[in-house]
Amino acid sequence: KAGVTQTPRYLIKTRGQQVTLSCSPISGHRSVSWYQQTPGQGLQFLFEYFSETQRNKGNFPGRFSGRQFSNSRSEMNVSTLELGDSALYLCASSSDRGYGYGYTFGSGTRLTVV
Amino acid sequence: KQEVTQIPAALSVPEGENLVLNCSFTDSAIYNLQWFRQDPGKGLTSLLLIQSSQREQTSGRLNASLDKSSGRSTLYIAASQPGDSATYLCAVNTGANSKLTFGKGITLSVRP
Repeated sequence: KAGVTQTPRYLIKTRGQQVTLSCSPISGHRSVSWYQQTPGQGLQFLFEYFSETQRNKGNFPGRFSGRQFSNSRSEMNVSTLELGDSALYLCASSSDRGYGYGYTFGSGTRLTVV
Repeated sequence: KQEVTQIPAALSVPEGENLVLNCSFTDSAIYNLQWFRQDPGKGLTSLLLIQSSQREQTSGRLNASLDKSSGRSTLYIAASQPGDSATYLCAVNTGANSKLTFGKGITLSVRP
C-alpha cells in the first residue's frame, strides 16, 4: 500500500515568486492536512481538506492557500514568497477526520527561499 | 487553546538503557494522541496511536501510556539502540477542528 507522496522533495525559490506543492494521500483517505515545520516554531497547522472542502485553517496569512481535487490529491500554494517561508512542508492523510484514526505523513517538501 | 509540552528538549543516553519520554497537554478533552519519530530532514513516522478511551499501546520495544485526567502521556523505549536516535514528537488530536497540536519534540541520542 503506497504511502503519502509529496512532490517535489526540494525547491529553491526567489523572494516574490510563488510555489505550488503537491500531496497524494493514501488511497481511500479523504482527509489531507498541511503543516509547516521550522526550527523556531516547530510544526504548525496550515489547513485541512476533506472531500474537496477546506474544513479548518490555521493562523497563516492569505498568501498560503490550498485545494483538494476529486481524487483527494491536494495542492498547497504560497504566493509572494518571503524568506521566512523557508521550511519543511508536510502533508498528512487520514481515512476520516482523524477522530478514530491516526495521521500518516509524507516525507515533506523542503522549500528554501533566497 | 491546546498546548503540548515535551521536556527535556534533548536527551543523551548510553545504549541499552530503558528510557521514558514525557509529553503533557493542557486540555484533557482529546480524541487521541499520537507519537511520531522524525529523522533529520525527513518526514514523520507514526509510532503509536492511543485513543482517548485507552490507557496504553505497545509496539515492539515501545510502549505509550495515556492519562487524560492529568494531561500526560509517556513513551517508554526498552533497551535503547543507536538506531533509536531521532526526534520524538507527540501530537494531540482534540477532534473539534481536526488538527494535530504538536509538542516541540525531544531529540534523543543513544550512544554506542
